[in-house]
Amino acid sequence: GENVEQHPSTLSVQEGDSAVIKCTYSDSASNYFPWYKQELGKRPQLIIDIRSNVGEKKDQRIAVTLNKTAKHFSLHITETQPEDSAVYFCAASTGWLTGGGNKLTFGTGTQLKVEL
Amino acid sequence: DADVTQTPRNRITKTGKRIMLECSQTKGHDRMYWYRQDPGLGLRLIYYSFDVKDINKGEISDGYSVSRQAQAKFSLSLESAIPNQTALYFCATSDHGGEEQFFGPGTRLTVL
Repeated sequence: GENVEQHPSTLSVQEGDSAVIKCTYSDSASNYFPWYKQELGKRPQLIIDIRSNVGEKKDQRIAVTLNKTAKHFSLHITETQPEDSAVYFCAASTGWLTGGGNKLTFGTGTQLKVEL
Repeated sequence: DADVTQTPRNRITKTGKRIMLECSQTKGHDRMYWYRQDPGLGLRLIYYSFDVKDINKGEISDGYSVSRQAQAKFSLSLESAIPNQTALYFCATSDHGGEEQFFGPGTRLTVL
């Protein structure tokens, strides 16, 4: 089955700096890669996703890049703010366009702390 | 608002007890999932269901069972709870053809 590794497990940045979280996956058939944000005591929520037919996607201060050859993808947050402090999870799925559903395999999470 | 709800939100039980966690959704989604979250281990899939007649094991199904009573309801049971099942449990839903999963608020389960 799929295995998703995520690094680093903790990340501390100064407000205004950029943060990068990296994930690798093992199944070359994976074609959908979402990122979820979980604030303290809250439920995980999707913040951005990317499909295997593109290499990069941006949404305001966040972006995700995908390298299918190397089987890794990354989350980039620019101009970090205190409200970006949370746990971020990457995930991978083979379900996009294949009718295989969207059974996700999650990484182990990154605790991001944005310091004032 | 259409939402995903879980009951109970917190539960403390003893080893050997049977316990059921319930999930309901008003989103009209046909796909439902149960995950457990442990510190440092992320979210791990226990069971998933793509419709009322479809139940599938996830990566850590041992010691758990599920029931899909209706499109809107998906229950997780621990037949004989053990301490290493202490965790935060999340239910999630997604629409057929859609990838985003919508999570419930979670149930914190402690097995003594």
